Amino acid sequence: DVKVTQSSRYLVKRTGEKVFLECVQDMDHENMFWYRQDPGLGLRLIYFSYDVKMKEKGDIPEGYSVSREKKERFSLILESASTNQTSMYLCASISVGRSYEQYFGPGTRLTVT
Amino acid sequence: GESVGLHLPTLSVQEGDNSIINCAYSNSASDYFIWYKQESGKGPQFIIDIRSNMDKRQGQRVTVLLNKTVKHLSLQIAATQPGDSAVYFCAEEEKTSYDKVIFGPGTSLSVIP
Repeated sequence: DVKVTQSSRYLVKRTGEKVFLECVQDMDHENMFWYRQDPGLGLRLIYFSYDVKMKEKGDIPEGYSVSREKKERFSLILESASTNQTSMYLCASISVGRSYEQYFGPGTRLTVT
Repeated sequence: GESVGLHLPTLSVQEGDNSIINCAYSNSASDYFIWYKQESGKGPQFIIDIRSNMDKRQGQRVTVLLNKTVKHLSLQIAATQPGDSAVYFCAEEEKTSYDKVIFGPGTSLSVIP
């Protein structure tokens, strides 16, 4: 059974803090994604990675960075958290050739105060 | 830019009735259209996809219809059950420099026992 896990389900951080969100998949997938989910806006792509140490900006990369040192792990970094980054963050992975069938983690609800 | 959406944000149906969730898209070049289901506290889960050269595809209790003339996608759920209560996202695959999936804002389905 495929599995994508995220390091935290709930996180509360203060404005200006550096925040790390971790995602691990056990399916040996090449491609991994970070989305944020906000009511009425669906899922918006922040960054994705198609290989170790490779990354590409998505639609809303501002204020975020990512790291992929190992194939199974993809980290999202908020360099200096702001209140408008309060959101649900979802990690996903896919195997090559079926980009539309994404496997999602349970999400991290981040609140920035 | 492209958009996927135009939907009722909430839908309530009686248990045992059929549900129809609608979605409109604007990108005629998409190759695949997809439906995801997100239950409370979980990440989205792939339900079914349909390729652009098809107009109907059936799964277990679900049917997806694609009308390319009016750029309309629908998900039909037969004999709706309480376990079907969730947010449903339509999505389309956009071929760019990478395989990108664009998600709609979602429709919340509530099943009344």
